Amino acid sequence: AQKITQTQPGMFVQEKEAVTLDCTYDTSDPSYGLFWYKQPSSGEMIFLIYQGSYDQQNATEGRYSLNFQKARKSANLVISASQLGDSAMYFCAMRDSNYQLIWGAGTKLIIKP
Amino acid sequence: GAVVSQHPSRVICKSGTSVKIECRSLDFQATTMFWYRQFPKKSLMLMATSNEGSKATYEQGVEKDKFLINHASLTLSTLTVTSAHPEDSSFYICRTTPHGLAVTDTQYFGPGTRLTVL
Repeated sequence: AQKITQTQPGMFVQEKEAVTLDCTYDTSDPSYGLFWYKQPSSGEMIFLIYQGSYDQQNATEGRYSLNFQKARKSANLVISASQLGDSAMYFCAMRDSNYQLIWGAGTKLIIKP
Repeated sequence: GAVVSQHPSRVICKSGTSVKIECRSLDFQATTMFWYRQFPKKSLMLMATSNEGSKATYEQGVEKDKFLINHASLTLSTLTVTSAHPEDSSFYICRTTPHGLAVTDTQYFGPGTRLTVL
């Protein structure tokens, strides 16, 4: 069965430190896509970064990078130099072969000043 | 860029009333719309998938007579919560991808509707 696992329900990180949010996935499809979304308290889903299963290089978008380890089926999000505005819920999601999105349980990240 | 609007953003209603939530793609055609429900501090739960001009496909456990979905045009999909009860209080979000892109991982979300049923 296809599944996304986020094992960290909550994290506290000091401002300016780097943070890694864990995500592991399970699928038998050779073609899939992995997403990270940020959801602040306002509720909107903010796209952060995407990694395709055939992409050779790890995706990067500004302060966000995705540590894609295909053999381990992990797609951890790394946020460098965290900021107070990074405090939010973070969701890892996987696009399956039917273009449905399978969601992880989320990680609540709190950045401490 | 592409934008999806969702109205209302917040609604408070009395138990027993019906509430309609609209999701509109502003500058592209949305063939398929996904409707999600989200409880506080929980993940998104897919309720149903609607395709323009056809009946929606509901996920197991979602009452189709309770949550009416209409996707009459390529730019508008609606979710109507009929005879709402307090347990229907939740955050509802729509998601779509642009029509015509056969293989795409571009996802667009509406900003969400927070429903509170008294």
